[in-house]
Amino acid sequence: EPEVTQTPSHQVTQMGQEVILRCVPISNHLYFYWYRQILGQKVEFLVSFYNNEISEKSEIFDDQFSVERPDGSNFTLKIRSTKLEDSAMYFCASSQDSWNTEAFFGQGTRLTVV
Amino acid sequence: ELKVEQNPLFLSMQEGKNYTIYCNYSTTSDRLYWYRQDPGKSLESLFVLLSNGAVKQEGRLMASLDTKARLSTLHITAAVHDLSATYFCAVVGIQGAQKLVFGQGTRLTINP
Repeated sequence: EPEVTQTPSHQVTQMGQEVILRCVPISNHLYFYWYRQILGQKVEFLVSFYNNEISEKSEIFDDQFSVERPDGSNFTLKIRSTKLEDSAMYFCASSQDSWNTEAFFGQGTRLTVV
Repeated sequence: ELKVEQNPLFLSMQEGKNYTIYCNYSTTSDRLYWYRQDPGKSLESLFVLLSNGAVKQEGRLMASLDTKARLSTLHITAAVHDLSATYFCAVVGIQGAQKLVFGQGTRLTINP
């Protein structure tokens, strides 16, 4: 069964460092998303991406965040200068189109900023 | 702004009992999802509800959607320990919007 895969599963980084979280969406999907979940809290939308550009972003997704689809398969989330409060589980998701289709989530990357 | 509220947030129940988790949302939506999350794991899709009156069942779980009341329910029948997890509902606000807005989650613990 096709699935969304994320790497790494766990990343530890020092405050102020840049991190790149990687995702391989399901191959025939056109919409890609990043969500995050701070430990014990609800899942929050960060950004959606379609046709090589951001289609929607939340207030959380400020200038320190960026997304890219560098090739035909990967979808990345970059955090330029990590803060302690960026520590969370980051989930990538993809969907075939934006309406009436389900988004499938990857297994997540646990980011720990120390 | 779309808000999604679940209740209860914590639920401890005995095996064999029935219970219902409620999900209320604040603005019009015709698409609602239920997800299950085990500790430290990803979100597993349980149900997609697309229209008013939709009801879906899988094993001991049944979900329904009332778009007029802006309410979805997840009913657990004769609970078993394996259903212990956190359950989230998530709503897409308006047609063409892409983001899911999640409820706070309901942490369900089923005791033998």
